[in-house]
Amino acid sequence: DAGVIQSPRHEVTEMGQEVTLRCKPISGHDYLFWYRQTMMRGLELLIYFNNNVPIDDSGMPEDRFSAKMPNASFSTLKIQPSEPRDSAVYFCASRQYGPDTQYFGPGTRLTVL
Amino acid sequence: SQQGEEDPQALSIQEGENATMNCSYKTSINNLQWYRQNSGRGLVHLILIRSNEREKHSGRLRVTLDTSKKSSSLLITASRAADTASYFCATDVAAGNKLTFGGGTRVLVKP
Repeated sequence: DAGVIQSPRHEVTEMGQEVTLRCKPISGHDYLFWYRQTMMRGLELLIYFNNNVPIDDSGMPEDRFSAKMPNASFSTLKIQPSEPRDSAVYFCASRQYGPDTQYFGPGTRLTVL
Repeated sequence: SQQGEEDPQALSIQEGENATMNCSYKTSINNLQWYRQNSGRGLVHLILIRSNEREKHSGRLRVTLDTSKKSSSLLITASRAADTASYFCATDVAAGNKLTFGGGTRVLVKP
């Protein structure tokens, strides 16, 4: 398996623009997680899905952030409009039902100017 | 505030030496996990220890868990330059879904 795939790997955008981050989880995994990593706040869980259904979005910073999982092999995290404080590395992770190990993607480094 | 806090924040050792880092947490847990992150990469799972376990080994890694003190330690024996990375503990409070990560320990292994 190719592991968790994220795209793009790097994104530079201007304040106010819409940003869409994409994730393909490992095939057969039932859970998908979106995290954000910054120097100031460390690694934060934004939202997670179970069988494509959002279970806990309490970590989503504000209404500018939204996440979808239209099918078992694809998820998006959208920021609209983006702000400089959204600059961070965004990770997607997935895991199977049962085993607790999460498998992380390589991350998307977002810079909002 | 974060559930897990690592100590020290940074560690510099010579190749061949052992590296020890600690993690303290605040609430009862189901399990505690350690992950490694190489610069510019995603996190990689290293080892999981359940709340009813006290010690676990995996290759050169040894993890201990003291639930009475709400703390865990990760020992890397005979370190190698390739062990240079950040190490994070993550606590699972409610059986398998949400992990809460600590701030990490940056380890530098000098050749």
